[in-house]
Amino acid sequence: SYVLTQPPSVSVAPGQTARITCGGNNIGSKSVHWYQQKPGQAPVLVVYDDSDRPSGIPERFSGSNSGNTATLTISRVEAGDEADYYCQVWDSPHVVFGGGTKLTVL
Amino acid sequence: QLQLQESGSGLVKPSQTLSLTCAVSGGSISSGGYSWSWIRQPPGKGLEWIGYIYHSGSTYYNPSLKSRVTISVDRSKNQFSLKLSSVTAADTAVYYCARVIRRDGYKVFDYWGQGTLVTVSS
Repeated sequence: SYVLTQPPSVSVAPGQTARITCGGNNIGSKSVHWYQQKPGQAPVLVVYDDSDRPSGIPERFSGSNSGNTATLTISRVEAGDEADYYCQVWDSPHVVFGGGTKLTVL
Repeated sequence: QLQLQESGSGLVKPSQTLSLTCAVSGGSISSGGYSWSWIRQPPGKGLEWIGYIYHSGSTYYNPSLKSRVTISVDRSKNQFSLKLSSVTAADTAVYYCARVIRRDGYKVFDYWGQGTLVTVSS
């Protein structure tokens, strides 16, 4: 079965750029989606199909995907971005989630 | 605005069957291009996909849960359901229902319910 690997935690100062990676075998050939989950809340889709943003998601959130690594980039990080972030792919016919990364805003 | 709302028993005894329903409002569960899914999250842990159902009724399940899971749709009530049999403490989790956008080459969850905690305990 397909495995997605995320770092458990990433820390960044306010105003800086956070990069959260998602590793998988030839993940660049798949579409990657990213979800933000704040404590006690359901996940929210922030990037889909590698780099597209749903309506209402700030332009500060962007994504890229190539080779064996997909990356979620959050520019000009704010305190409100502190959350868990999950990557997800479709490995037909199944859905796979990464283990999640806790983003801490220092 | 589409809304999904989970309901069901919050406490299930070991070896029994967990049953949850997801009511969909603000849209039809029979709309083409979408599937409907269940995802769970054990306390303090990550997300685990359980399975999804197409509007045609075809289902796909996580291989690790396949032998115990059934997802079904009730179009008359605009809702879909999850049954998980022979539960153990390891099945204690927040259970989410979600809508799945189906496109060539990918599936993504765009709307989620608020989640419901199910505890397995005697």
